[in-house]
Amino acid sequence: GDSVTQMEGPVTLSEEAFLTINCTYTATGYPSLFWYVQYPGEGLQLLLKATKADDKGSNKGFEATYRKETTSFHLEKGSVQVSDSAVYFCALYSGGGADGLTFGKGTHLIIQP
Amino acid sequence: DTAVSQTPKYLVTQMGNDKSIKCEQNLGHDTMYWYKQDSKKFLKIMFSYNNKELIINETVPNRFSPKSPDKAHLNLHINSLELGDSAVYFCASSNSRKNEQYFGPGTRLTVT
Repeated sequence: GDSVTQMEGPVTLSEEAFLTINCTYTATGYPSLFWYVQYPGEGLQLLLKATKADDKGSNKGFEATYRKETTSFHLEKGSVQVSDSAVYFCALYSGGGADGLTFGKGTHLIIQP
Repeated sequence: DTAVSQTPKYLVTQMGNDKSIKCEQNLGHDTMYWYKQDSKKFLKIMFSYNNKELIINETVPNRFSPKSPDKAHLNLHINSLELGDSAVYFCASSNSRKNEQYFGPGTRLTVT
């Protein structure tokens, strides 16, 4: 079945540091890929998405490129802020199973001033 | 102008009770979902519902049943609650199954 693997957290960085959160996937066919962010006590917000190979999703300074050859969708940001502290989820949709998103386990990001 | 809303936000109840969580979306989407987030924050699809077609994750106990009175609502009914049902439940919606999903704020269910 489908699966998503994310780097374990928590990831602690200083403000203005460069961020990479790794995400790799296993899926049938050509899934759509997503990054969601969950701030403390809140629901999930869509951060960015990519629907086909080599697509780059971007939003709020975050970027991720759909790499079919390495089955990866790593999240990057050039300069993080304290307000970026949250849990980040990589997810895919392939139409299998219960036809919903398959999520990674989430990466807790902590940005220190 | 909340896009996906859920009520209640918190629900504390005893084992054996029956409870419901309501979900409404005002985005005009045609597909709605329920997810369960466990204590380690792992999210898992429970149901998806589109045009009266319900798809159930085979791991979900039949004590859980979604009910959709109309396209804008997908409520979750849980019978005979168990301790292991304690979790945060998220409703979501999308415009067709392939597109991005928008999530509600979650309902934290605690079974004592």
